Amino acid sequence: GNSVTQMEGPVTLSEEAFLTINCTYTATGYPSLFWYVQYPGEGLQLLLKATKADDKGSNKGFEATYRKETTSFHLEKGSVQVSDSAVYFCALSERTGANSKLTFGKGITLSVRP
Amino acid sequence: KAGVTQTPRYLIKTRGQQVTLSCSPISGHRSVSWYQQTPGQGLQFLFEYFSETQRNKGNFPGRFSGRQFSNSRSEMNVSTLELGDSALYLCASSLEAGPYEQYFGPGTRLTVT
Repeated sequence: GNSVTQMEGPVTLSEEAFLTINCTYTATGYPSLFWYVQYPGEGLQLLLKATKADDKGSNKGFEATYRKETTSFHLEKGSVQVSDSAVYFCALSERTGANSKLTFGKGITLSVRP
Repeated sequence: KAGVTQTPRYLIKTRGQQVTLSCSPISGHRSVSWYQQTPGQGLQFLFEYFSETQRNKGNFPGRFSGRQFSNSRSEMNVSTLELGDSALYLCASSLEAGPYEQYFGPGTRLTVT
């Protein structure tokens, strides 16, 4: 079945540091890939997405590139802010069939120090 | 455009009781999915509804059920509550069924005592 593996956390960075959060996936078809962010006490917000190989999703300074050859979708940001402190989830959704199920990684908590 | 709304936001129930949670999707969205979030298991898919039909179901016992109405609003019901059902229940809507991005509500925090 489908699965998503995220690097172990938590991650603590100083403001303006470079961020990389690793995500790899296993899927039988051609999935769409997503990064969601969850702030304390809230639901999930879609951060960015990519629907095919070599697509780059970007939003709010975050970027991730769909790498089919390495089955990866790593999240990066050049300069993190305190307001980026949250839990980040990598997820996939199969492209075949009428299936809206999202498969999530375990999530990783990011804390950014001033 | 208003986002996904869920009611109630917080709920405390006793073991053995049943509970109904409600979700109103983004206007125009026809697909509604439900997820359970716990510290131990993370985010797990419960089921998905599209045009009042259940299209997909996760690996949860029959105590968990849901339905969707003609206006796309959805409810999920949990009967005979167990302590392990304590979780954040998230509803998500998308424009169509299929691998489209889903937009999440704030969730309902259910505590079973």
